[in-house]
Amino acid sequence: QQQVKQSPQSLIVQKGGISIINCAYENTAFDYFPWYQQFPGKGPALLIAIRPDVSEKKEGRFTISFNKSAKQFSLHIMDSQPGDSATYFCAASKGYSTLTFGKGTMLLVSP
Amino acid sequence: GAVVSQHPSWVICKSGTSVKIECRSLDFQATTMFWYRQFPKQSLMLMATSNEGSKATYEQGVEKDKFLINHASLTLSTLTVTSAHPEDSSFYICSARDTMGGGGYEQYFGPGTRLTVT
Repeated sequence: QQQVKQSPQSLIVQKGGISIINCAYENTAFDYFPWYQQFPGKGPALLIAIRPDVSEKKEGRFTISFNKSAKQFSLHIMDSQPGDSATYFCAASKGYSTLTFGKGTMLLVSP
Repeated sequence: GAVVSQHPSWVICKSGTSVKIECRSLDFQATTMFWYRQFPKQSLMLMATSNEGSKATYEQGVEKDKFLINHASLTLSTLTVTSAHPEDSSFYICSARDTMGGGGYEQYFGPGTRLTVT
């Protein structure tokens, strides 16, 4: 019940396109859903996060869409750039408990 | 944003020796820090939760006597890999929450430490 399933495993998007990564969770007690961006050899960086009381949150080119009834949330990267090429992890937690991570999505934005 | 540092960024040690990795929250205080391990092209695996002033809580399957964690202050947690072996070679990453400054659930990660045991 602690699983967070992330898809796709890898994604290739052309420059300027929209990258979409999806996550599904099982534990209805989760109330915090962050996305992290990780470059090779670096630690994950918090990108954007959402709480279940809103259905969408936007920060610059990054948007989280949240569907509480379907227990799904997704990351949309608008106008994708080669510099966005990285591994993206979704995660979920209940309050201040530990984060449960998805398995990650390797995004490649082709020039 | 909140900054977490790690030292060293990479270390090579011989089998049987011990290695200490430091994790510091630079601009906030953290009563709780977390230690993760990450293998190539895999997700983060939580090893333990480090609580300031008390014993760490280890995840199932993590040897507490091998991976010693000390959270001596509100800005410093250390992970010591004792009697390291080649199978301990990995990328170790710490994270912290700004629990003292009214922060939310955000967890900030350090840059990671690459450990290679020869």
